[in-house]
Amino acid sequence: DQQVKQNSPSLSVQEGRISILNCDYTNSMFDYFLWYKKYPAEGPTFLISISSIKDKNEDGRFTVFLNKSAKHLSLHIVPSQPGDSAVYFCAASEWDAGGTSYGKLTFGQGTILTVHP
Amino acid sequence: ETGVTQTPRHLVMGMTNKKSLKCEQHLGHNAMYWYKQSAKKPLELMFVYSLEERVENNSVPSRFSPECPNSSHLFLHLHTLQPEDSALYLCASSQDRTSGGLNEQFFGPGTRLTVL
Repeated sequence: DQQVKQNSPSLSVQEGRISILNCDYTNSMFDYFLWYKKYPAEGPTFLISISSIKDKNEDGRFTVFLNKSAKHLSLHIVPSQPGDSAVYFCAASEWDAGGTSYGKLTFGQGTILTVHP
Repeated sequence: ETGVTQTPRHLVMGMTNKKSLKCEQHLGHNAMYWYKQSAKKPLELMFVYSLEERVENNSVPSRFSPECPNSSHLFLHLHTLQPEDSALYLCASSQDRTSGGLNEQFFGPGTRLTVL
């Protein structure tokens, strides 16, 4: 059972427009959410995160929105640039009920974003 | 060197070979992770080491054997692998929450493994 899902395998956007990447989760114990960006032949790079006590976090062109009631988060990129073309992964973390404090992340399958000039 | 480094970047091995993947983090973190990424699948967590103790082993076959000699180094020893083990193996590190971390994991570039 996949607890974090990115239902769109790919997204194509024109340069300068908004890119919206979506992610759904099922585990209500998740309390911290992250977005990662991955270029081919490189490891994922941390992009932006949001705690479950917030519903929005903004960092430059990137904004993450969290809707806890719908168990849904989204990443908005405005304006989109060709250099944003990459695979985007959402990930979720929970404070382990067993009391461990390391960051266990559950990842979605990823969405390939292509930004056309 | 900065961040998280992994060697080798590419590895081709036969099913009877023994090889090791190496990961080193220069971020002062106290948790390290091995992930497997196969085509069109989410990242699969394999092992977690927190404060140099293995705290998670996600039903990984015994042909994969991790080792964490100190908080900066992590190894993945491989032996008698199968062709379906071909994948990108990623190492990551993080600082745990009790030490002020927020579970953001920092990844290395990965080792592209091909098993013939």
